[in-house]
Order: sequence, then C-alpha cells, then structure tokens
Amino acid sequence: DTEVTQTPKHLVMGMTNKKSLKCEQHMGHRAMYWYKQKAKKPPELMFVYSYEKLSINESVPSRFSPECPNSSLLNLHLHALQPEDSALYLCASSHVRAPNQPQHFGDGTRLSIL
Amino acid sequence: QKEVEQNSGPLSVPEGAIASLNCTYSDRGSQSFFWYRQYSGKSPELIMSIYSNGDKEDGRFTAQLNKASQYVSLLIRDSQPSDSATYLCAVNSPAGGTSYGKLTFGQGTILTVHP
Repeated sequence: DTEVTQTPKHLVMGMTNKKSLKCEQHMGHRAMYWYKQKAKKPPELMFVYSYEKLSINESVPSRFSPECPNSSLLNLHLHALQPEDSALYLCASSHVRAPNQPQHFGDGTRLSIL
Repeated sequence: QKEVEQNSGPLSVPEGAIASLNCTYSDRGSQSFFWYRQYSGKSPELIMSIYSNGDKEDGRFTAQLNKASQYVSLLIRDSQPSDSATYLCAVNSPAGGTSYGKLTFGQGTILTVHP
C-alpha cells in the first residue's frame, strides 16, 4: 500500500465528459505533482504545486485543470479530452524545502478516452 | 535540455546473477539521484536514493554515484525473478528558484531475471 492515494483506479470517459481525478496524502508533504505516463515511456511532469500554489505548468493543454484545495489534496479536472490523452496519471508528493527528498508516487489512475 | 540516459536494454540475467543498470545525466547542477522500480501496469516505487559520491548499499541493492563522470548505477545482487521490472533512473535538479527541484526520468531499462 502506498501513502499517496489516488482515486479512481480506472476511468473510462467520452470526449465530451467532465471528470476529476483525486489524490490524497497524509505525509505532511507540501509539494504535490501530477505526471502523465504513456505505455513504455517514463513519467512526464504536468503540474507542480508548492504550498497549495501552482508553481510549474509544463505547457499542459487547458483541458487539464489542476486544483489543490488544501495541503493534503490534489485534484485534476478533465474536460473535452482527446483519445491521445489515454494514459496512466500519477500523483506524487514530496517535502518542499528538501530537494534531496524523493517523490513518493500513488498507484495511479488509468484513464481511457473513448 | 536536461537529459538522463539509461542503458537501452532490455537486460536479461539468470537467477542469482548480478544485474547492472547504468545511467548518465547532463546537468552538472543535479543534486539528488533516485532509482525507481516499476512493475508492468503499476506505479513507480522508490528503491534507492543517493546524494554523494560513492556507494550506498541497501540489502541486495547498491547504488553508485560519480558526479565527476555524471554517472549513476544500480547493482542488484542475487537477482530474483521478482526483480523483473522496468528500472527508472531519476535525477533531481534545481528548477526556477524552487527549493524542491524537478525530477527528470531516464527512458527506463527493462530487466528480466530468468529462473
């Protein structure tokens, strides 16, 4: 079991749907991350939140909208996604003022766009 | 462009052998180095972290770091079939004034340990 919890584990949605991915951690980490991982590729960074504020957006299309309502929660709102957005979406967290501390990953949400 | 390169693989070793995984990185400002293991269909799992030159051992795993050569390696002794997975090298570098840096992953090396 991981200390970063992601829900749902699997999600199938149509291109016109709106859905949200949720991530929760209780490790006291104040940096949280969203990654996208396609098959046989490494994780690609999408967004970074530090102290609940968006600090890095890796030029992600606006159909992905992150939200960090508090220090334990991170959401990713999805709208009008494309088939190529099908992937494993990973949430991670780490301490902020400790660049040597590793990121801890959740189990991910496997997203399929019909 | 900060790059992390891993030996291409796939790597196949017999059970009980030593598996050697290698990684080079381009950013000399990189501060911390990690090895993640990822089983098929699962998320990355941290198995080793290393921050200073030299060796770090944890059970059957040894990580080696040489900052002058910009080189990181992972040795797995007494390899087991359960070690069969993709191994991701990840390098943390300072980013845009942040205090936590950005993690850059290598492409991963697929390891198969056959009985």
